[in-house]
Amino acid sequence: GAVVSQHPSRVICKSGTSVKIECRSLDFQATTMFWYRQFPKQSLMLMATSNEGSKATYEQGVEKDKFLINHASLTLSTLTVTSAHPEDSSFYICSGTVAGVQAGEQYFGPGTRLTVT
Amino acid sequence: DAKTTQPNSMESNEEEPVHLPCNHSTISGTDYIHWYRQLPSQGPEYVIHGLTSNVNNRMASLAIAEDRKSSTLILHRATLRDAAVYYCILMEYGNKLVFGAGTILRVKS
Repeated sequence: GAVVSQHPSRVICKSGTSVKIECRSLDFQATTMFWYRQFPKQSLMLMATSNEGSKATYEQGVEKDKFLINHASLTLSTLTVTSAHPEDSSFYICSGTVAGVQAGEQYFGPGTRLTVT
Repeated sequence: DAKTTQPNSMESNEEEPVHLPCNHSTISGTDYIHWYRQLPSQGPEYVIHGLTSNVNNRMASLAIAEDRKSSTLILHRATLRDAAVYYCILMEYGNKLVFGAGTILRVKS
């Protein structure tokens, strides 16, 4: 299957600072990328859908000014958590779909564990 | 949102087949049935998907009921590496996946 990487794999930051997470599709072009958040012992929660060159579409209840998503190319999307607080500590996962494939599989990154102290 | 219902957990013996059920009685005609699995502290992994016909790949088989209101993921010979949370998801418009609680599969040696 196609490969998605995330960087960093884990990050610790202080409350009030911002942190950027990168998501790259290594061997395919992803016109659409998705960002999820997962709290311990819970399922994944979709945060936003990101199309290359367009503004991201956020799910209800997700603050777009707090979670900035950029999808500048077909292989890179970034999530910036601004003014992070301890309640933002979570496992953040991205995924991508292959360009032009309708209802096809999503390929997930390995996740980034964010801890805000 | 189209939703699915899965058992909370299942247990299997190593080297034996596993049938993971999923009910989706409100499925619409254009919803694809997707299965993913997730190991602890990892991103989900695609397993298989289908629309109406049964599907096979190197990882598993997907059996879809004729009325499409249920489906079954079949792992032909479970191994310890198959122990994971399995998610049955209906793919919505825009290729969105909305994850439910999934089924925790335990494999005994």
